[in-house]
Amino acid sequence: KNQVEQSPQSLIILEGKNCTLQCNYTVSPFSNLRWYKQDTGRGPVSLTIMTFSENTKSNGRYTATLDADTKQSSLHITASQLSDSASYICVVTILNFNKFYFGSGTKLNVKP
Amino acid sequence: NAGVTQTPKFQVLKTGQSMTLQCAQDMNHEYMSWYRQDPGMGLRLIHYSVGAGITDQGEVPNGYNVSRSTTEDFPLRLLSAAPSQTSVYFCASSYSFPQGGNSPLHFGNGTRLTVT
Repeated sequence: KNQVEQSPQSLIILEGKNCTLQCNYTVSPFSNLRWYKQDTGRGPVSLTIMTFSENTKSNGRYTATLDADTKQSSLHITASQLSDSASYICVVTILNFNKFYFGSGTKLNVKP
Repeated sequence: NAGVTQTPKFQVLKTGQSMTLQCAQDMNHEYMSWYRQDPGMGLRLIHYSVGAGITDQGEVPNGYNVSRSTTEDFPLRLLSAAPSQTSVYFCASSYSFPQGGNSPLHFGNGTRLTVT
């Protein structure tokens, strides 16, 4: 069964600190992996999209990494801000199917 | 561009009632989809469409119908509401199809549905 697992489920950090969120997937054959940010009461917003040939991609203070061999990805947030408080969702697509596979998300709480 | 617009934002239904959740996008995207989001679970695909006149089922299609008569609109119909359909519903669209495409999925801000 194609699955996307994220860890941790929730995380609390102090403003200004860094953090790393994890995503492991079993979907195959892999096409691309995406990270989305979802603020409370809003729809998810795209942060990064990576194909199997890309190891890393940045979007401001957000840096995503991908290891297609081990089927793992991480999202690193640098110098966290209060506005980073949100859920972060890992999404994977496969080559022969017109669907997105969603992880259940990591809920990040940045405290002052 | 308004992006993806969903209406209504909130809705309360009684068991057995029917209703339509509206979704419209102004980005000329071919791919559109509906998801439900429940606490502790990832977004689950209800139905999707790869163009006007073409729809297909996702993971959890039972109790829902869709149609795609135009590129812009993709309404979701609840045929006979049940408490198990209490959820937040998101519509999303993309320029490219998931398989092999690298365009981001654009989401609306959701419809919060309660069925009593």
